[in-house]
Amino acid sequence: AQTVTQSQPEMSVQEAETVTLSCTYDTSESDYYLFWYKQPPSRQMILVIRQEAYKQQNATENRFSVNFQKAAKSFSLKISDSQLGDAAMYFCAHETSGSRLTFGEGTQLTVNP
Amino acid sequence: DTEVTQTPKHLVMGMTNKKSLKCEQHMGHRAMYWYKQKAKKPPELMFVYSYEKLSINESVPSRFSPECPNSSLLNLHLHALQPEDSALYLCASSPRDRGNSPLHFGNGTRLTVT
Repeated sequence: AQTVTQSQPEMSVQEAETVTLSCTYDTSESDYYLFWYKQPPSRQMILVIRQEAYKQQNATENRFSVNFQKAAKSFSLKISDSQLGDAAMYFCAHETSGSRLTFGEGTQLTVNP
Repeated sequence: DTEVTQTPKHLVMGMTNKKSLKCEQHMGHRAMYWYKQKAKKPPELMFVYSYEKLSINESVPSRFSPECPNSSLLNLHLHALQPEDSALYLCASSPRDRGNSPLHFGNGTRLTVT
């Protein structure tokens, strides 16, 4: 079975600082996709960043970047220059075959002014 | 603004009621999804439609009945629900059903079964 583990139920960061959210996963596939989604209180799940497993280069999207370690099955998210609007629940997700997304349990991020 | 529109935003229904949740997207996406999310938990996949055909049913009880009338619309018909079915129901769409087509989610319908 595919599993995704987020070991940090809650994290906090000062505004303008950097924070890293951890995620590990388990898969027997060689070609797959990994995602980070955020879910603010508005409830909408918003894609933050995605990584294709066959690409060695780490994905970046503005202030968001990942550290993808395929051999270690690790996929952490780094948020630089944190902003108040970054406060949300963050879910790491792994796509299995047939468009099934397996989500981790989530990390609640608080940004302190 | 979300490009996937879900109605209603909130729904309270009794266990004997019949109701429907609606989802609409006009991005030309060919895959649509229903997820169920309990409080402080990740979303759980219920159904996937690909090119208007049901491609995945994650062993969902028959009191939930999905329908995809056309490529832009997705319904979830509810009948004889139980209190434990109370949750946030999220609809999503993607250009196609594979990983290089990330999901676009709606804001969800908060369902309460009394």
